[in-house]
Amino acid sequence: AQSVTQLGSHVSVSEGALVLLRCNYSSSVPPYLFWYVQYPNQGLQLLLKYTSAATLVKGINGFEAEFKKSETSFHLTKPSANMSDAAEYFCAVSDRGTALIFGKGTTLSVSS
Amino acid sequence: NAGVTQTPKFQVLKTGQSMTLQCAQDMNHNSMYWYRQDPGMGLRLIYYSASEGTTDKGEVPNGYNVSRLNKREFSLRLESAAPSQTSVYFCASRDLKTQYFGPGTRLLVL
Repeated sequence: AQSVTQLGSHVSVSEGALVLLRCNYSSSVPPYLFWYVQYPNQGLQLLLKYTSAATLVKGINGFEAEFKKSETSFHLTKPSANMSDAAEYFCAVSDRGTALIFGKGTTLSVSS
Repeated sequence: NAGVTQTPKFQVLKTGQSMTLQCAQDMNHNSMYWYRQDPGMGLRLIYYSASEGTTDKGEVPNGYNVSRLNKREFSLRLESAAPSQTSVYFCASRDLKTQYFGPGTRLLVL
């Protein structure tokens, strides 16, 4: 069975600092991996996805993630945080079939 | 191109009442999904429909029914609402690789 673990339910950074949100997955087949962002009282917006092409994936708003098969990880990074990055972030895995399996989410806070 | 739309945006029910949450997509996707989001739980799959005319249970189907009315529309019905069904409900549709989400319905069951 597939699963996703997001390490840290809450991450706090200063404006301009590196953002690192951690995601580890388990899957019996080569997975598709996703990061979604949710701003308060809104739906989920796709940030980026890995679907077996390049292992370093660039997304919107300056975010990127690297698929590391040996570590079963798909961590999300951004070199310099903006105040507008404050939101909840979800990592998700798909076996290329039906539904997504989501992690429990990480809330990112950005202070000035 | 509206993407995935959901109605209503917000609803308050009393225990035992019924209601239907509506979802529609205009992207010509075959697959559609219903999730619920609860604090600290992420999103959990309730039901999905791989194509028009088919539906399957997800992780948390108890207390819900669904109807895939046509390729565009996928509704979720609560026959007898319970306080445990207080949640935010998201509908999604999928192309070959990616799911796209609607804005959600906030449901409060008293």
